[in-house]
Amino acid sequence: GEDVEQSLFLSVREGDSSVINCTYTDSSSTYLYWYKQEPGAGLQLLTYIFSNMDMKQDQRLTVLLNKKDKHLSLRIADTQTGDSAIYFCAHSGAGSYQLTFGKGTKLSVIP
Amino acid sequence: DVKVTQSSRYLVKRTGEKVFLECVQDMDHENMFWYRQDPGLGLRLIYFSYDVKMKEKGDIPEGYSVSREKKERFSLILESASTNQTSMYLCASRVGSSGELFFGEGSRLTVL
Repeated sequence: GEDVEQSLFLSVREGDSSVINCTYTDSSSTYLYWYKQEPGAGLQLLTYIFSNMDMKQDQRLTVLLNKKDKHLSLRIADTQTGDSAIYFCAHSGAGSYQLTFGKGTKLSVIP
Repeated sequence: DVKVTQSSRYLVKRTGEKVFLECVQDMDHENMFWYRQDPGLGLRLIYFSYDVKMKEKGDIPEGYSVSREKKERFSLILESASTNQTSMYLCASRVGSSGELFFGEGSRLTVL
C-alpha cells in the first residue's frame, strides 16, 4: 500500500468543523506535517507535530496523533470559504532529508 | 521573509526540446528538492541535493537531471522533453533534517 494515505476529497458547510485524516506506515517517523496548497500556489506549512506528542492546538487547528495506529488528523474548527484548498499530510523519518507526502485532500467549503 | 523563487511560472515547450527549470532560495538552506505534482498522484520527489554539487535520486528521476553549482540555486533539466512530463514542478528547500520545507510557487510545464 501507499506510504501515506489520505482521502482525496472532503466537502463541508461553512461554519462546520472539517476533519482530514491521514495514515502512514513508517513507524520511525519523527515529524508529521500538514501543508496547505491554495489554487495556483505552492505548498505552505500549516502545522506540524513531533512524534512524541499526541495533540497540538493552534487557534482553529487541532492536530491529533495516534502513534500506535499511525493515524494523524487535522481538525479545522469553524471552517471558512478561505479554507478551501488541498491539504497534504507528510512525514519525515529520523535523520532523513526528505519528506514523504500523501496525495492530498481537496477540501471544498460550501457557503 | 523566507523565499524560494522559481524562475518561470508557466512554460510551453515542444517534444524533444531541452528544458531548464531554475530555483533560487535566499535562506542559506543546505537541502533543496524538486517535486512534480500531478492530479491524483500528489507530490513525487524527482531529485534532491543536500550540498553543493551533491545530488540524490528521488522516486522518479528518469528523464530528469539536476545541477547544484551554488548553494542557493538548484536547477532541474529535462534533456529531451516528452508529453508525459507535462506537470506542475515544485522546488523546495529545507535546513537540516527536521526543519520546515519551504516551497516555491511552482512551474507549470506543458509539453506539446
